[in-house]
This record gives sequence, C-alpha cells and structure tokens, in this order.
Amino acid sequence: NAGVTQTPKFRILKIGQSMTLQCTQDMNHNYMYWYRQDPGMGLKLIYYSVGAGITDKGEVPNGYNVSRSTTEDFPLRLELAAPSQTSVYFCASSYLGARVSNQPQHFGDGTRLSIL
Amino acid sequence: AQSVTQPDIHITVSEGASLELRCNYSYGATPYLFWYVQSPGQGLQLLLKYFSGDTLVQGIKGFEAEFKRSQSSFNLRKPSVHWSDAAEYFCAPITGFQKLVFGTGTRLLVSP
Repeated sequence: NAGVTQTPKFRILKIGQSMTLQCTQDMNHNYMYWYRQDPGMGLKLIYYSVGAGITDKGEVPNGYNVSRSTTEDFPLRLELAAPSQTSVYFCASSYLGARVSNQPQHFGDGTRLSIL
Repeated sequence: AQSVTQPDIHITVSEGASLELRCNYSYGATPYLFWYVQSPGQGLQLLLKYFSGDTLVQGIKGFEAEFKRSQSSFNLRKPSVHWSDAAEYFCAPITGFQKLVFGTGTRLLVSP
C-alpha cells in the first residue's frame, strides 16, 4: 500500500516557468490537501478538496491552482514561478464519511522546490 | 478561528531523559487534536490523536499526550528519549473540512 505519493521529490525552476506537482493516493480518501512548509515554519494550507470536482482555497492560495478530476489525484500547478514559492510542498489525504469524522491526515514525503 | 502555539522552538534533551513538548490551543469547543512528527527530509507521521473521552492518550513510539481543558493544553510526553526521536514535532487541532491548523513546531535535539 503506497499511501500518498508525490512526484517529483526535487525540482529547480527558473522564475516565470510553470510546473505541476503531482500527488496521488491509493487509500480511497475523499479529502486531499496541499501544504507548503517554509524553513522554521509550520505547514500552511494552500488548497484542499473534499471530493472529485470540488476544490477550495486554503490560507495561502495565491500563485497556485489545483484540480481534482479523480478521487486519487490532486495536482498542484504553479503558473508563473516566483522566488517566494521556494518551499517544500506536502500533499495529504484523509477520509470523512457518514460515520467517520475527524480522521488524521496521511502525508506524502514532500516535493522540495527551488525557484532561481 | 482555531490557533495553536508551540512555545518552544528548540529543545535539547539527553538520551534516556524524559521529554515534554508544550502545545496550547485556542478554540471555544472541545478540540480534536493531533501530534505529528517529521523526521528530516520526510513527511509527517501521526503520533497520536485526541477526540474525546480519556484525557491521556497513548501513541506510537512510546509517546503520550494529556489533554487539559482548563489549561487549553495538549502536551506531548515520553519517559525516556532515544536518539532516533530527534525530529520536528507539530501539534495540530482539526477544524472545518478536516483541515489541520499547524503550530510552528518544536525541534527536538537529543544529546548523547
């Protein structure tokens, strides 16, 4: 059972380039999340999704876009990379059901992104 | 809105000594609280969770945490620290849509 898989693990971008960070989970979780973690800081929520076709902004959404066409995948897109987006990005997933709530999130190993 | 404070940015503990990491939250109702651990270069791993009931919860790797409503705290403890416990620890309450609110974390250093 792979859990939450993020690709790539590392990437260097030039200012103004675009890229997509991939995230997939095989636990049939309906909720998925994208966070960024800056040095010495906790994680800040960028976007989240409560199911296929439904996404919403988190605390720091500017400069990012997401889509959720399937339950398994939740890619994060950077359209015009800026140095301020240098960070470590984590994808996470969890499950909420009619009789299941407040479940822990399962995290991927992260994507370390540098923008120069 | 919920918030969480981890007052200690760094803590150094000798191997074999006891550990307590502090976490204070701000929330009107009974919170749902988690502790996560992050080893260098890794994602976050769940240590333990508190939803309701017994205020002392046991987690993995010998960790436990105690929920104290009167102090708005959910401190993490371990009776004897191992070198492999060196990592960053995050306390996080859950909010709407199962979103987590993270503190800034506490980095644990273990000395020989």
